[in-house]
Amino acid sequence: QQQVKQSPQSLIVQKGGISIINCAYENTAFDYFPWYQQFPGKGPALLIAIRPDVSEKKEGRFTISFNKSAKQFSLHIMDSQPGDSATYFCAARAPSGSARQLTFGSGTQLTVLP
Amino acid sequence: KAGVTQTPRYLIKTRGQQVTLSCSPISGHRSVSWYQQTPGQGLQFLFEYFSETQRNKGNFPGRFSGRQFSNSRSEMNVSTLELGDSALYLCASSSQGLGETQYFGPGTRLLVL
Repeated sequence: QQQVKQSPQSLIVQKGGISIINCAYENTAFDYFPWYQQFPGKGPALLIAIRPDVSEKKEGRFTISFNKSAKQFSLHIMDSQPGDSATYFCAARAPSGSARQLTFGSGTQLTVLP
Repeated sequence: KAGVTQTPRYLIKTRGQQVTLSCSPISGHRSVSWYQQTPGQGLQFLFEYFSETQRNKGNFPGRFSGRQFSNSRSEMNVSTLELGDSALYLCASSSQGLGETQYFGPGTRLLVL
C-alpha cells in the first residue's frame, strides 16, 4: 500500500513537444506529492509539488495534475527542451507519525530530441 | 548558501567490511534524510534525523544505522557489507523535515566487491 507506480519507464519527445509522466498510488492517506528531476551524477532536485486538496499546480513549463478520486497524478512538461533530458521521479509522503517518509516512483528517463 | 555535501563521493569495499558515509546539510537545516538508490529498487528511504534524534526509519536491516551531530552533520554506517549494498547513497536536508523542500547532495557511490 506504500507503493507509488510510475510510467512510462522511458520517454522520447521532440523539442517543443509535451512530456507527460504518470504516477498512481494506493495509500489514500498520502498528503504530499513532489516531483524530482535528476541529472546524471547529481542528486535529485525538487521540481514542483502538490497537496491533495489542489487539482492542478503550474510553475513555468511544469504542471502537476492531481486526480484524488483516481489516486493518480501526473507531470506535464510543456515546450520540452533538450535541457529537460533527465530522470524524473514522482514521490508521495506517508502520513505523519513514525511512518512519515517519502516513497518514490521507479523513475522515468526523459530524452528530448533537438 | 553552500549546498549539501557528501563525502566521500566514491568508495570501494569488500564484503563483510563496514563503511561510514558523511553528509553536511545546508547551513541552518536541522533535518537530514538518507536514501539508497539502485537501478533495481529505485530510491528508498533509509532514515531521517532531526536535532540529533532519529525521527523516521525505512525498511532496512539493522546493519544500516546513522547518527546526527549537534552541528546537524550526519553519518550513515553500514556494517557487514553485502554485494547488494552497492548503490548510490543520497542524503537530503531540509529546515523542518519530510514534506518541506528537501535538498539532495550529489551522493556517495558505494561499490561492494
